[in-house]
Amino acid sequence: QKEVEQNSGPLSVPEGAIASLNCTYSDRVSQSFFWYRQYSGKSPELIMSIYSNGDKEDGRFTAQLNKASQYVSLLIRDSQPSDSATYLCAVNIRGSTLGRLYFGRGTQLTVWP
Amino acid sequence: NAGVMQNPRHLVRRRGQEARLRCSPMKGHSHVYWYRQLPEEGLKFMVYLQKENIIDESGMPKERFSAEFPKEGPSILRIQQVVRGDSAAYFCASSPGTERGNEQFFGPGTRLTVL
Repeated sequence: QKEVEQNSGPLSVPEGAIASLNCTYSDRVSQSFFWYRQYSGKSPELIMSIYSNGDKEDGRFTAQLNKASQYVSLLIRDSQPSDSATYLCAVNIRGSTLGRLYFGRGTQLTVWP
Repeated sequence: NAGVMQNPRHLVRRRGQEARLRCSPMKGHSHVYWYRQLPEEGLKFMVYLQKENIIDESGMPKERFSAEFPKEGPSILRIQQVVRGDSAAYFCASSPGTERGNEQFFGPGTRLTVL
């Protein structure tokens, strides 16, 4: 069974703080990792992808991947109220049909002014 | 609009009717995926298609659900004889292929309500 687990939240941080979102996955042959942001009533929006161990930075977002620990995280620096949304972790499994993504249930983030 | 397009955005059906959901992928994308999101639940994979081919339908219920992606025109997800449990948001995503780790971009979704 391939599972993706996220800390359930909700997570609440003040404006300007760092928000840390975590995700673990069960399948060791997982290959590609994605973070999506989903506002209430809207569709998921891709914000980060990461494929190799280490950090990947894009503006205020940093994704961190540790394949040995089967762990991927997303850090949001200088959090803004507009970052308030549900963040979905998604994993693509090598060896399965290349297309399908496995999603966690999401972590709801609230950034208060 | 170069993004993934879906229509209709909202669809209301009575039990027993058919629902047809359409998806046009982003320009240059030939891979289409359908996902379903039930209230308070995560996104669940349903089916993966390329033009004229179903690549993976392992997430699709065995009965009443079908999908196609014809040579011309949008991909269609068809639900026959809908039941209340089919009420959900149905999202289509597209990708250019397996390059770049298969980044998938989502359309706005179709919210299906079954009365």
